[in-house]
Amino acid sequence: AQSVTQLDSQVPVFEEAPVELRCNYSSSVSVYLFWYVQYPNQGLQLLLKYLSGSTLVESINGFEAEFNKSQTSFHLRKPSVHISDTAEYFCAVRNSGTYKYIFGTGTRLKVLA
Amino acid sequence: EPEVTQTPSHQVTQMGQEVILRCVPISNHLYFYWYRQILGQKVEFLVSFYNNEISEKSEIFDDQFSVERPDGSNFTLKIRSTKLEDSAMYFCASSERALAGFEQYFGPGTRLTVT
Repeated sequence: AQSVTQLDSQVPVFEEAPVELRCNYSSSVSVYLFWYVQYPNQGLQLLLKYLSGSTLVESINGFEAEFNKSQTSFHLRKPSVHISDTAEYFCAVRNSGTYKYIFGTGTRLKVLA
Repeated sequence: EPEVTQTPSHQVTQMGQEVILRCVPISNHLYFYWYRQILGQKVEFLVSFYNNEISEKSEIFDDQFSVERPDGSNFTLKIRSTKLEDSAMYFCASSERALAGFEQYFGPGTRLTVT
């Protein structure tokens, strides 16, 4: 069965430093990949998604993620973080032919001044 | 921007009681979902719903759970007889279509505490 692993439960990083949040999934057969962000007391918001085509996908606020089929990874990166990026980030996978998203346990990103 | 809303934000109930969690999906969306997150654990899929029928459900979604779209706007999750282990954050989501290109939009969640 499909599973998603986010090894880092918390990532502290200083403002303007780069960050990488790791995500690995178990099966690469026809998957769709997502990163969601959750700010305090809010719902899950889609940050970016990979469906097909270019393996590098970007969000409007400077995040990017790269689909790596051979390593079954979809790591999230940002070259320079802001205080406002402090939130919890969830990686999710959806297999074709199913409705459900399978989520990782989340990574809490804390940006320090 | 349209959003999924959920009420209440926090529900406290006693073990054995019935609870109904309510959601208002985005108005032109046709597919509806419930997920839950037990504190410190993963967000887990419960059920998907389309055209007044369950289209997919997980092992968690047993006979104690039911979903309904009682009118044109609300989507509810009922837990018939709550257990302590039902304490969790429950997220409602909706999507315009079921195809992968149409992402699921999530509400802010209802925190259910069973005492």
